[in-house]
Amino acid sequence: AQSVTQLGSHVSVSEGALVLLRCNYSSSVPPYLFWYVQYPNQGLQLLLKYTSAATLVKGINGFEAEFKKSETSFHLTKPSAHMSDAAEYFCAVGYSSASKIIFGSGTRLSIRP
Amino acid sequence: DARVTQTPRHKVTEMGQEVTMRCQPILGHNTVFWYRQTMMQGLELLAYFRNRAPLDDSGMPKDRFSAEMPDATLATLKIQPSEPRDSAVYFCASGPGLAGVQETQYFGPGTRLLVL
Repeated sequence: AQSVTQLGSHVSVSEGALVLLRCNYSSSVPPYLFWYVQYPNQGLQLLLKYTSAATLVKGINGFEAEFKKSETSFHLTKPSAHMSDAAEYFCAVGYSSASKIIFGSGTRLSIRP
Repeated sequence: DARVTQTPRHKVTEMGQEVTMRCQPILGHNTVFWYRQTMMQGLELLAYFRNRAPLDDSGMPKDRFSAEMPDATLATLKIQPSEPRDSAVYFCASGPGLAGVQETQYFGPGTRLLVL
């Protein structure tokens, strides 16, 4: 069965520091992978997705994620954190024969001035 | 700027009352999802529709929850009777329905429900 695990329910970084949010998936077939962001009191918004094209995926707001099949990972990174990046981030996984995606438990990102 | 709209944004009700939440998907989208978000359970898929037909409602408690799409511009989620454990944020999302599971879902702002 497919699943996704996000390591760390809360990550705190200083403004200007590297952001790294971890996501590992479990899937017996090639997955589709997503990162969504949720700002306070808002719905989720797609940051980026992997659909079997390039393994390094660039998204909005300077975020990117790399699909590593050998590590079953899809970690989200941003070189330099900005205060506006404070939000909750969700990793999700799906595969072609399914009809829905599964969301991880989320990681709350805090940015220290 | 096309958006998914949800009404009401906030709802406080007493246990046993009926609650109806409404969603207007983005015009032209033919896939609609209902999610529930709580601190304990995270984001759970309750049901989803394609071309107004329910495809999967396995995540929804059947005895009290019901989801429908009376037309292509309206999706409803009803709880009758409501219970305190139903307190959560309910999100509607829609998608173009062109690319299957890999397509982007567009989320509404949510309905924050509190059942006393």
